Amino acid sequence: KQEVTQIPAALSVPEGENLVLNCSFTDSAIYNLQWFRQDPGKGLTSLLLIQSSQREQTSGRLNASLDKSSGRSTLYIAASQPGDSATYLCAVRRAGNNRKLIWGLGTSLAVNP
Amino acid sequence: GAVVSQHPSWVICKSGTSVKIECRSLDFQATTMFWYRQFPKQSLMLMATSNEGSKATYEQGVEKDKFLINHASLTLSTLTVTSAHPEDSSFYICSAREGGTSGELFFGEGSRLTVL
Repeated sequence: KQEVTQIPAALSVPEGENLVLNCSFTDSAIYNLQWFRQDPGKGLTSLLLIQSSQREQTSGRLNASLDKSSGRSTLYIAASQPGDSATYLCAVRRAGNNRKLIWGLGTSLAVNP
Repeated sequence: GAVVSQHPSWVICKSGTSVKIECRSLDFQATTMFWYRQFPKQSLMLMATSNEGSKATYEQGVEKDKFLINHASLTLSTLTVTSAHPEDSSFYICSAREGGTSGELFFGEGSRLTVL
């Protein structure tokens, strides 16, 4: 059974810091992994999608890596800004016929000015 | 990225009434859409998978007669909460999968339902 864990559950950093959010999964047979951002009371914004054959994806100050063998993905945020404050969710899509998304509980990030 | 629009963004209704929430993919066709429910400070819970032109597939524990899903076109899916009660108050979010092999999911803005 696939389980997705995100660590830490909450993080508070001063503006300008580089930071890493972690996502781990128990079953390496994945189709892809997607990172999302959710602002309070809002829907989700897709940040990065990594296919199972890829090692990393980059978008602006964001970089996501994927290591299937160890069951880990990291989201790296460079030069954090107060506007980065949000909850970051990791979701793993299973391989095979039942390609459901399995969600982590998220990391709540606060970037303080 | 692709855009998914949800309407209404918030709704307040009396107990016993029915509420319809719309989910539209604005710039792509979505053969599959998903409906989620989210409780405060919890992750998303998949309620059902909506397939264009066919019946929705509901997750275990989700009442299909309570949460009616219709996916009549490639750009529109609707969720109707029938005979709503206060315990149905929640944040409902839809998502749609863009075509091709990437399988990237895009989400609507969410709809906050409050049942009095």
